[in-house]
Amino acid sequence: EAGVAQSPRYKIIEKRQSVAFWCNPISGHATLYWYQQILGQGPKLLIQFQNNGVVDDSQLPKDRFSAERLKGVDSTLKIQPAKLEDSAVYLCASSVTDTGNTIYFGEGSWLTVV
Amino acid sequence: GENVEQHPSTLSVQEGDSAVIKCTYSDSASNYFPWYKQELGKGPQLIIDIRSNVGEKKDQRIAVTLNKTAKHFSLHITETQPEDSAVYFCAASQARSGGSYIPTFGRGTSLIVHP
Repeated sequence: EAGVAQSPRYKIIEKRQSVAFWCNPISGHATLYWYQQILGQGPKLLIQFQNNGVVDDSQLPKDRFSAERLKGVDSTLKIQPAKLEDSAVYLCASSVTDTGNTIYFGEGSWLTVV
Repeated sequence: GENVEQHPSTLSVQEGDSAVIKCTYSDSASNYFPWYKQELGKGPQLIIDIRSNVGEKKDQRIAVTLNKTAKHFSLHITETQPEDSAVYFCAASQARSGGSYIPTFGRGTSLIVHP
């Protein structure tokens, strides 16, 4: 089966610019996650969707980050305006449900803010 | 919230040796412990997991042990091969209100297997 698809794979932007990342989860997976992975650290959850509803966005910097999953399938994560400390890999992941099933990760979108 | 500590940060072994990575967690309510392998330029991939009602689980050359009393769990890789070289992450998660699980990840261990 096809895995979690993400685009773009790489993006370089200047600080204060905006960027958007797209994710298409595995077909049939109700739960979608966005993680931020700073170099040398483990992934940190930004937001979790169950279908098109938000389950957890407690660690999402809402003054600059936003995410949506309008039709309960693919999702977009936006950063505006970007800061230098936003340089990281943004990982999208999905699972069948949110009750302890295996989480499958995409290959990530690498963001460099200069 | 949950806090997961992982050691060592870097582990270098010779091919054929065993490798052990250890993690501790803080929240006694955590009951699901997955391990992920991340190769360069790729997303993490689940390699093995264990739930709190089990003390040990094996899958070919990899095994995971869990000590709930001490709140620590470990990944054991035997007969290491160069293709085992990657960053390994442990995670701990618990069911929250509504039943959803959110894993908290450790900082990762870079395993290098020398031929």
